[in-house]
Amino acid sequence: GQQVMQIPQYQHVQEGEDFTTYCNSSTTLSNIQWYKQRPGGHPVFLIQLVKSGEVKKQKRLTFQFGEAKKNSSLHITATQTTDVGTYFCAGNQGGKLIFGQGTELSVKP
Amino acid sequence: DGGITQSPKYLFRKEGQNVTLSCEQNLNHDAMYWYRQDPGQGLRLIYYSQIVNDFQKGDIAEGYSVSREKKESFPLTVTSAQKNPTAFYLCASSKDRIAGGFADTQYFGPGTRLTVL
Repeated sequence: GQQVMQIPQYQHVQEGEDFTTYCNSSTTLSNIQWYKQRPGGHPVFLIQLVKSGEVKKQKRLTFQFGEAKKNSSLHITATQTTDVGTYFCAGNQGGKLIFGQGTELSVKP
Repeated sequence: DGGITQSPKYLFRKEGQNVTLSCEQNLNHDAMYWYRQDPGQGLRLIYYSQIVNDFQKGDIAEGYSVSREKKESFPLTVTSAQKNPTAFYLCASSKDRIAGGFADTQYFGPGTRLTVL
């Protein structure tokens, strides 16, 4: 079936360390979106990537879309306690948005 | 103040009872969605609707039903046929389900946490 795999499932870091989560699809994606869900909250849209090889930055967050449009990554530089939460990728497969399982990030001050 | 509202925030029901979760949006969005979230499983699509009086099953529709009588409202009924209904339920909306061939940004409500006793 349609799937978007996301790893790792959990990541514990010390404040100031970097963090990366990866998404992979077996099929080509039209675009990919990233969402953040704070503990006890709901997913909030962060960004959308559309073009092959696209890289976008939001302050300490860097988003990449692979050349083959089958994978994507989110990298956070120098994590802060405000970064805690679960990060989801969501890939567009044939007009349907498929969510990855999410990566739960915890940051130790 | 535009957005999506879900009520109630917490809901308890006895096994064998049907329960309806509310979802309202004032964003003038055409498409609405219901997701179920379980720990470690991400978001799974239950039902979606692209237009009033029309809806389609998602990946895990069994034991659920919906209606879309108004553009603003997309209530979800969890029936007694749903084997494991305890979960966090999220409603979302987007301007169009497909915008120019790409899935549109989805805006989520605060969610309803359902517990079956």
